Amino acid sequence: SAVISQKPSRDICQRGTSLTIQCQVDSQVTMMFWYRQQPGQSLTLIATANQGSEATYESGFVIDKFPISRPNLTFSTLTVSNMSPEDSSIYLCSVEGLTYTGELFFGEGSRLTVL
Amino acid sequence: GENVEQHPSTLSVQEGDSAVIKCTYSDSASNYFPWYKQELGKRPQLIIDIRSNVGEKKDQRIAVTLNKTAKHFSLHITETQPEDSAVYFCAAISHNAGNMLTFGGGTRLMVKP
Repeated sequence: SAVISQKPSRDICQRGTSLTIQCQVDSQVTMMFWYRQQPGQSLTLIATANQGSEATYESGFVIDKFPISRPNLTFSTLTVSNMSPEDSSIYLCSVEGLTYTGELFFGEGSRLTVL
Repeated sequence: GENVEQHPSTLSVQEGDSAVIKCTYSDSASNYFPWYKQELGKRPQLIIDIRSNVGEKKDQRIAVTLNKTAKHFSLHITETQPEDSAVYFCAAISHNAGNMLTFGGGTRLMVKP
């Protein structure tokens, strides 16, 4: 299994500001995934972050809005830029298990509320 | 890409009864089907998974069945307990989508004591 630490766990933000979420993993992993979970909804993949290359974004998500950094094999950040109330969600970092069975391990999530 | 539909969206059962959640998927190339449980305010956690080379898998009170021909899979929880109350998500991996998991919409299960 993988132990994933995310921070902040929650935050209240003002419209128009940006917030960076940090994700730290206790082991080296090739890919890290960022998901969004809107209130009462399922998990939607935002992007996949590989160390040493630009993140790959899913349809509906763009780098200008959700810039991602992946400086090493155990750390990544997701920034939510120019926030609006529609960005109020839980943002989750996840990684695959070391045995690559397909199982994903998730961080506790960062609950953002945008006023 | 892959599309995963999940039903029902909410399910209420009496303690001790069984609960069944069903999912369908669209991509016949998908070969891995996990189920995640998310308790209120917590992270999703894997509870059981099944691969396309088997039709059924069981782990104590939880079982998953897979019908590749019909492209659907189901989660069965027997002898439900209040601590089973949570949101359950099915998911599928499609090779056509770069091996990324696609999640169903979720089922909120409430087990009444």
